[in-house]
This record gives sequence, structure tokens and C-alpha cells, in this order.
Amino acid sequence: DIQMTQSPSSLSASVGDRVTITCRASQDISIYLAWYQQKPGKVPKLLIYGASTLQSGVPSRFSGSGSGTGFTLTISSLQPEDVGSYYCQKYNSAPWTFGQGTKVEIK
Amino acid sequence: QVQLVESGGGVVQPGRSLRLSCVASGFTFSSYNMHWVRQAPGKGLEWVAVISYDGRNTYYEDSVKGRFTLSRDNSKNTLYLQMNSLRGEDTAVYYCANQNSGNYYHSGRYYQYAMDVWGQGTTVTVSS
Repeated sequence: DIQMTQSPSSLSASVGDRVTITCRASQDISIYLAWYQQKPGKVPKLLIYGASTLQSGVPSRFSGSGSGTGFTLTISSLQPEDVGSYYCQKYNSAPWTFGQGTKVEIK
Repeated sequence: QVQLVESGGGVVQPGRSLRLSCVASGFTFSSYNMHWVRQAPGKGLEWVAVISYDGRNTYYEDSVKGRFTLSRDNSKNTLYLQMNSLRGEDTAVYYCANQNSGNYYHSGRYYQYAMDVWGQGTTVTVSS
């Protein structure tokens, strides 16, 4: 099975900072990569699918890039409401494996 | 609005069974593949299983194969997860999520959609 590796596992940044989270697949998954945000105590929410397509209603400070095995989620200007955990997920075929998550905090 | 409501969770002894349900509303249930994802206390997300829009195809994560069975009733807009031979490591919040079974066009070709809307989850605790 394809493994998904996220880094870092946690980060602390200041409001307004540019934040980057990386996700790496152990095999080529084309652009079948989604990013989810889970705020504390809340249900996960789809941010990006197809590696770079922003889900409707998601703020434009979020962006995704990459294809094949390397992917990036960028928050261009970190806001207090962005605190939470972020997960990548591959969905080219089953199993639809998640990365281990990245916890984002405000410094 | 699009809504998924899970039920059926609870406390169960190891080796026993439990059936989860997920009732959908606000979208054409029969056009969506449906997934279960779980999250153990304090841990990350773990994909569990998927069933195709017509119920013909199912796929499972290795640790639940042979123990969990997915089914759906499109006439009732309901998804089911039958969980047998439960273990302590199955303790988690279980979420159902939908996935449009169609494709979207991007940069010259068609791609499938990701999981989109998630329910609020139902908690399963396996303990003696």
C-alpha cells in the first residue's frame, strides 16, 4: 500500500506568517491528493482536492500544489482561526490513506 | 443543506458486534460513494472503508477486513457499517463522509472527487 508522510508533525507560527506543510506519497498518485482541516473538537473539513483545487467557500489564503509524490499545503497569512490539525489524504485508489497530521498553533 | 447523521455507537465488550448507521439528506444519496473514517482518542484520521454509489463495490482497510461490512439502502438514504469481532483498537469516533461518484474536468482530463461532507461522528468504545 502507498504510504503518506506529512511534515512537520507540528508547527507554531505567528499571525500573518506564511505556513507550509508537506505531504509525500511513497508512489505516484498523480493529483489525487486532498487536504483536510480539523479544528479542535470539530469535524474535518475539505480544503483542497485534486492537489490544488480550492473547495468552495475555503479562504483564498489556502493553496495547494504538487503532483506525483510531492505535495504542499500553504497558508499565505496565518490567522487565529486556522489553528487545528491538517491532514493530507491520497484517493487514487483504496486504501484512501491519510497522512499522520500536522498540528498548527499560534506563537 | 447537505447533512450526514451517524448513530449506533456505544460501549461494547471485546468480541461483540455493533452496527452503525449514517442517514443522509440534502443531496442525491444514490449518486455518491460513501466512506467511513475513524479517529481514535487523541490520534489522527484513519480511513476505514468505502462503498460505491450503487452498493456493488466495497473496499476496506486491512485491519477491518473480514470483520466489518459496509452496506447501503438507497431507498432510505442510509449507510450501514456492521462491525463484528470488535477489538480495543477499534475504539474511536466513526465518521461517515460522502464522495461524488462523478468526475470533474481539470487540465485536459477527468478526475474523481475527494471525500467532501462529513457527519458529526458517533463514538464506539470497546472495553470489558
